[in-house]
Amino acid sequence: AQTVTQSQPEMSVQEAETVTLSCTYDTSESDYYLFWYKQPPSRQMILVIRQEAYKQQNATENRFSVNFQKAAKSFSLKISDSQLGDAAMYFCASGGTSYGKLTFGQGTILTVHP
Amino acid sequence: EAQVTQNPRYLITVTGKKLTVTCSQNMNHEYMSWYRQDPGLGLRQIYYSMNVEVTDKGDVPEGYKVSRKEKRNFPLILESPSPNQTSLYFCASSPTYLSSYNSPLHFGNGTRLTVT
Repeated sequence: AQTVTQSQPEMSVQEAETVTLSCTYDTSESDYYLFWYKQPPSRQMILVIRQEAYKQQNATENRFSVNFQKAAKSFSLKISDSQLGDAAMYFCASGGTSYGKLTFGQGTILTVHP
Repeated sequence: EAQVTQNPRYLITVTGKKLTVTCSQNMNHEYMSWYRQDPGLGLRQIYYSMNVEVTDKGDVPEGYKVSRKEKRNFPLILESPSPNQTSLYFCASSPTYLSSYNSPLHFGNGTRLTVT
């Protein structure tokens, strides 16, 4: 069984500042992937960033980066230079190599203040 | 335009009245799945399908049925809806069941279901 825990129900950040969203997971899979999805008020689910567990290098996508600590089973998302359009619900997810095993966290609502 | 289309977007119904939420994708994807989203619980997988005529239970399958008779469609059936099935439902698809870079998960826009 897999579990994904996002311990911050809500976070806020000032525009142009940096914020980090936390995620911890537990899995029995030897090979797995980790994801961060963004859900704006439109309800769309948008993939922000993904990380293969076998890669030691942290993934980066423009202003979004992760801090992947495999031994600690931690996968936090850092958003740099926050923009108003970053305001959304963010979900962390963990899966084996199959989407059939994809498990989501509870979500963190991010508010960006101008 | 490549997309996953769910219908309806909003649905209000009464307890016990059978309903179907449709999901269709135009990308020839093999993998399709259904999730429900509830406050404080995130998204939980209901059923998934790795290909035509191949379906399997996710984490919360009770009270739901699915079928995959053709590749593009994956309807979610609630034979006797109950108030605890009030939720936001998402359909998703992917080229394969493998969660690789070449196989991203595409989500529909969600169906808000209310059962009274």
